[in-house]
Amino acid sequence: QSVLTQPPSVSAAPGQKVTISCSGSSSNIGNNYVSWYQQLPGTAPKLLIYENNKRPSGIPDRFSGSKSGTSATLGITGLQTGDEADYYCGTWDSSLSAGLWVFGGGTKLTVL
Amino acid sequence: EVQLVQSGAEVKKPGESLKISCKGSGYSFTSYWIGWVRQMPGKGLEWMGIIYPGDSDTRYSPSFQGQVTISADKSISTAYLQWSSLKASDTAMYYCATYDKSWFDPWGQGTLVTVSS
Repeated sequence: QSVLTQPPSVSAAPGQKVTISCSGSSSNIGNNYVSWYQQLPGTAPKLLIYENNKRPSGIPDRFSGSKSGTSATLGITGLQTGDEADYYCGTWDSSLSAGLWVFGGGTKLTVL
Repeated sequence: EVQLVQSGAEVKKPGESLKISCKGSGYSFTSYWIGWVRQMPGKGLEWMGIIYPGDSDTRYSPSFQGQVTISADKSISTAYLQWSSLKASDTAMYYCATYDKSWFDPWGQGTLVTVSS
């Protein structure tokens, strides 16, 4: 059971838009930056969004991030079959004195 | 180019020890934390712990404290993850990743560890 809650799966048609939610609490998302990672089948995770809504160089602007309160959202527009992957949110959790990094359970995106 | 290159796949028996590595290049290895992440077959990402190679300050997830040891040799820009006695449940892909301010990037290619009798 992950500290951050994501939907197990989402799906949409090519060209459409999809959003993936990541729900947490005041000890994690509420007081820390959120980052998002894309894991294509058989590959290592890759940074997609950092500091809630910033894109690393090379990440297309079809990918966006936002945060409100204790929840964060990843948005993907103009869906392509190459976007089929698992997506994970992550942030620090301050509930322990030393802090603890936590990932969401992951969301599998299917482009129909 | 900032890069992390991990050691190759391992096949071990229960009870054996193992040390896998993660070599950084293209950046100041001692200036950034390196984290380790486990991904069991068909499952999600689990954060194991993190080390600052500059002074070897290390933090562990409570789930992995006492189960693994994270270390680093800054002279060769390499971080390590080791087990003293492997279990079948340690079978997983293990990733290292550089931590910067509040995110992990880049990631190593992963090391597959298989523990089977």
